[in-house]
Amino acid sequence: AQSVTQLDSQVPVFEEAPVELRCNYSSSVSVYLFWYVQYPNQGLQLLLKYLSGSTLVKGINGFEAEFNKSQTSFHLRKPSVHISDTAEYFCAVVNTGGFKTIFGAGTRLFVKA
Amino acid sequence: DTAVSQTPKYLVTQMGNDKSIKCEQNLGHDTMYWYKQDSKKFLKIMFSYNNKELIINETVPNRFSPKSPDKAHLNLHINSLELGDSAVYFCASSQGRELIDEQYFGPGTRLTVT
Repeated sequence: AQSVTQLDSQVPVFEEAPVELRCNYSSSVSVYLFWYVQYPNQGLQLLLKYLSGSTLVKGINGFEAEFNKSQTSFHLRKPSVHISDTAEYFCAVVNTGGFKTIFGAGTRLFVKA
Repeated sequence: DTAVSQTPKYLVTQMGNDKSIKCEQNLGHDTMYWYKQDSKKFLKIMFSYNNKELIINETVPNRFSPKSPDKAHLNLHINSLELGDSAVYFCASSQGRELIDEQYFGPGTRLTVT
């Protein structure tokens, strides 16, 4: 069985500050990892994904995430956030070899001026 | 041009009714999906179709029936609507059939069952 835990339901941060959104997963098989962003009243948009190779993955809008296999984590970071980054962020896993995807409950990033 | 579009955007209906949500993509993708996002923002995949063939069918009540008339369209028909069906339903598409392929999401259809 797989599960995804996003440790923070809400993260308030001031503009231009760094931010980290945490994601931990559990799985009995290897997984691929994803981060999506959902702006208000819109569908999800892929930020980045880890399939293999370098554990540091760079995505769109200045976001990056690091896969840590020993800690089963895939935390999302941005060194300096903007007001426009205010959105809901979802971590997701897809198991290798199967058609199974699990999403976390989401973290709402709220960037304050 | 909207890449993945859904109609209607909002749908309010009473328990017991039958309703449909339509989805169209103009990206030339081969695979389309339906997701359900509940009131707590929890997102779950329901179905996926590749070239009109059903390839993912998660544990979803039989009252939900997807239909793909062609690879650019995937509609969702729901019979005998229940209060618990209230949610936002997202359609998505991808070029490949694997879940690791990048998916493009529609804007969602907010279904409210009263």
